[in-house]
Amino acid sequence: QTVVTQEPSLTVSPGGTVTLTCASSTGAVTSGYYPNWFQQKPGQAPRALIYSTNNKHSWTPARFSGSLLGGKAALTLSGVQPEDEAEYYCLLYYGGAQLWVFGGGTKLTVL
Amino acid sequence: QITLKESGPTLVKPTQTLTLTCTFSGFSLSSSGVGVGWIRQPPGKALEWLALIYWDDDKRYSPSLKSRLTITKDTSKNQVVLTMTNMDPVDTATYYCAHHYFDTTNFDYWGQGTLVTVSS
Repeated sequence: QTVVTQEPSLTVSPGGTVTLTCASSTGAVTSGYYPNWFQQKPGQAPRALIYSTNNKHSWTPARFSGSLLGGKAALTLSGVQPEDEAEYYCLLYYGGAQLWVFGGGTKLTVL
Repeated sequence: QITLKESGPTLVKPTQTLTLTCTFSGFSLSSSGVGVGWIRQPPGKALEWLALIYWDDDKRYSPSLKSRLTITKDTSKNQVVLTMTNMDPVDTATYYCAHHYFDTTNFDYWGQGTLVTVSS
């Protein structure tokens, strides 16, 4: 069974920078996994932030960026705002099996 | 403007079959490259991808749930229906549908979700 792993929790100070990562149990994450990132606040539906590794939606704030880092997908928040406190999920596409797998989520605390 | 909305029962009994409907607007499921997916989230837990249907009626299912899931579309009604058989209390979750693009494997627009509780 394919497992996608994220940091369970991270803490960052307002104005700071933080990087969340997303690893696959099958090996290095590449652009072929089309990494997606989502933000979810309590009681709300997930909101799409990043697709295909580093592409932003029209509504994605500029401080969010996606990349590949050390064999993982990564989401970097630069100049963190209090409203960025949320759960963040990555999603990877496994083309061979034609399925998508979410990571377990990272709870980001802004403190 | 793309919108999606899930509807269905809020409570089902164990062993029953769940039928959920995703009604959408702002796009056509007959347009090349377009799909609609279903994702669920048990209370306090992570998201789980369930199924996806494409404009050409191609379908994808989570391997762990494939035997219990069926996804269909009604293009004329702008609806996608997900059925899940043999419901169990562990299937209690908020169920979301989302708009999908084939080219970028992108789930961009999501519905508000509907909470389904499985209990006798």
